[in-house]
Amino acid sequence: KAGVTQTPRYLIKTRGQQVTLSCSPISGHRSVSWYQQTPGQGLQFLFEYFSETQRNKGNFPGRFSGRQFSNSRSEMNVSTLELGDSALYLCASSLIGTGTVGNAIYFGEGSWLTVV
Amino acid sequence: SQQGEEDPQALSIQEGENATMNCSYKTSINNLQWYRQNSGRGLVHLILIRSNEREKHSGRLRVTLDTSKKSSSLLITASRAADTASYFCATASFTGNQFYFGTGTSLTVIP
Repeated sequence: KAGVTQTPRYLIKTRGQQVTLSCSPISGHRSVSWYQQTPGQGLQFLFEYFSETQRNKGNFPGRFSGRQFSNSRSEMNVSTLELGDSALYLCASSLIGTGTVGNAIYFGEGSWLTVV
Repeated sequence: SQQGEEDPQALSIQEGENATMNCSYKTSINNLQWYRQNSGRGLVHLILIRSNEREKHSGRLRVTLDTSKKSSSLLITASRAADTASYFCATASFTGNQFYFGTGTSLTVIP
């Protein structure tokens, strides 16, 4: 069974640009969530989608947005990039979501974003 | 904000020794999961322990959970150089669909 796939793995963008990252969850998983990892802030929750609906959102500005498609694939978008957005963006996939007992969460390899 | 804290922040041991790292969290949980992250890579799922379980084993890994103390520990026995990585605990609560990560323990296993 294929794992969580994230694309692209690495990208460099200029301040002010926007970026779209893609995530394909494990087959059959309906929940996709996104995390930002930086050396200073650690792993921080961005948002979670389940069956195309955003169920929860972390404390990030509106420049960070996402969506989920009917096949459970998800994209996140960051507009008007700032230097501080440089980070590893991780996508996580689970069968039914993080709030359920016994529900394991699996992560992809991440997308490294560098903003210059 | 992150719910968990891990202790120690960094740990260096010789190959063959056991490594123990601890995780504390703040609110009631329904499960706790441990992950490994090699430098620059994604998170690898190691083990999940439910709130009604006290101990769980998986190969060389042993996880304990004490909900009264809101803490968990991960023991890696007979460590190998390939175990060198950062280890994170993450908790899921009954309310809200969010996963909280600890600060991580950086483990170095010296061959």
